[in-house]
Amino acid sequence: GAVVSQHPSWVICKSGTSVKIECRSLDFQATTMFWYRQFPKQSLMLMATSNEGSKATYEQGVEKDKFLINHASLTLSTLTVTSAHPEDSSFYICSAEKAYNEQFFGPGTRLTVL
Amino acid sequence: KQEVTQIPAALSVPEGENLVLNCSFTDSAIYNLQWFRQDPGKGLTSLLLIQSSQREQTSGRLNASLDKSSGRSTLYIAASQPGDSATYLCAVLDFNNNDMRFGAGTRLTVKP
Repeated sequence: GAVVSQHPSWVICKSGTSVKIECRSLDFQATTMFWYRQFPKQSLMLMATSNEGSKATYEQGVEKDKFLINHASLTLSTLTVTSAHPEDSSFYICSAEKAYNEQFFGPGTRLTVL
Repeated sequence: KQEVTQIPAALSVPEGENLVLNCSFTDSAIYNLQWFRQDPGKGLTSLLLIQSSQREQTSGRLNASLDKSSGRSTLYIAASQPGDSATYLCAVLDFNNNDMRFGAGTRLTVKP
């Protein structure tokens, strides 16, 4: 199998706080993980590509200082939303790449910033 | 830059009907194309994955085809059921950028 988990599944926080979201590949190692965000009624948009042991590659328009990504091991990547604001409220989904360009997706994390 | 388009944006059909969802992409340089299902407020469920060298994949009542040269894929759902109601997303794994590009989805409603 290929299972990817995310934690937490939902989080509500106050404006100005930081929130960390974890993405884990449970039964395989993933050199590369991806972070997506999805606004209501819109499709997923790639935010960044996370490579184990190196800096993440961010898509154009995504603030790297706001969305900190750490891929510390072959099974864990974290996304930290720093100084969150209401406009950061979204559904965040990660995926992990297994062999041969196949991505497996986590269940998503719904972030609500008050 | 790879762009993925899905038509229609929304579709409502009576139960039992066969239906086709369409996906088109602008750059044929892809590794694969994948169809997903997304229920409201939920994550993605992978339905079918078609490698660039393949023409179609089947799983139960679902059949997906891929015509890479024309930049098109279709998802065929046979004998639709109310439980099939969801948003269906297609995504291509882009060869040049090695990242996935998603369509905006088709919101399917199957009425009992």
